[in-house]
Amino acid sequence: DVKVTQSSRYLVKRTGEKVFLECVQDMDHENMFWYRQDPGLGLRLIYFSYDVKMKEKGDIPEGYSVSREKKERFSLILESASTNQTSMYLCASRMTGQDDEQYFGPGTRLTVT
Amino acid sequence: GDSVTQMEGPVTLSEEAFLTINCTYTATGYPSLFWYVQYPGEGLQLLLKATKADDKGSNKGFEATYRKETTSFHLEKGSVQVSDSAVYFCALRAGGGNKLTFGTGTQLKVEL
Repeated sequence: DVKVTQSSRYLVKRTGEKVFLECVQDMDHENMFWYRQDPGLGLRLIYFSYDVKMKEKGDIPEGYSVSREKKERFSLILESASTNQTSMYLCASRMTGQDDEQYFGPGTRLTVT
Repeated sequence: GDSVTQMEGPVTLSEEAFLTINCTYTATGYPSLFWYVQYPGEGLQLLLKATKADDKGSNKGFEATYRKETTSFHLEKGSVQVSDSAVYFCALRAGGGNKLTFGTGTQLKVEL
């Protein structure tokens, strides 16, 4: 079974702090993704990575950066957390193939106070 | 750009009722279409998918048919159970790319 794990289920940070959200997958997938999930807005793509050290902006990259130094790990970084970044963050991974599905982690609920 | 529109929730049904959750899409070319389910406190899981027109995806009693002429992919189940209570997301992937575009999600509550 594919497993995508996220470092924390719940996180509380203060405005202005630097925040790291970590994601690890164990199936050698090339592609990894970070989404945020907000009520009434569904899932919105922040960044994705198709290979080590490669990244592309998604729909809402402002205020975020990412790092992929190893194939299995994809980090989301909030350089200076703000209250409007309070959200549920979901990581996903996928093989490269026409019909391959995305596998999601359980999510990290981040609250910025 | 690509977009997915699905019916607003919450949808509340009695156990054994028939379920339909509507989903329509806008995309260039011929996208692949997906339904994901999110149970309380969990991440999303793929429920079913269809990759070309007239394909029917099915899983766990749920079905959805890829209708190119109406750009729709409505989710149906003949008899829902309390354990089906979850949030359901319709999504598309266009042009063989990596990116999934999601709808806003529909919360389903099934009561005894």
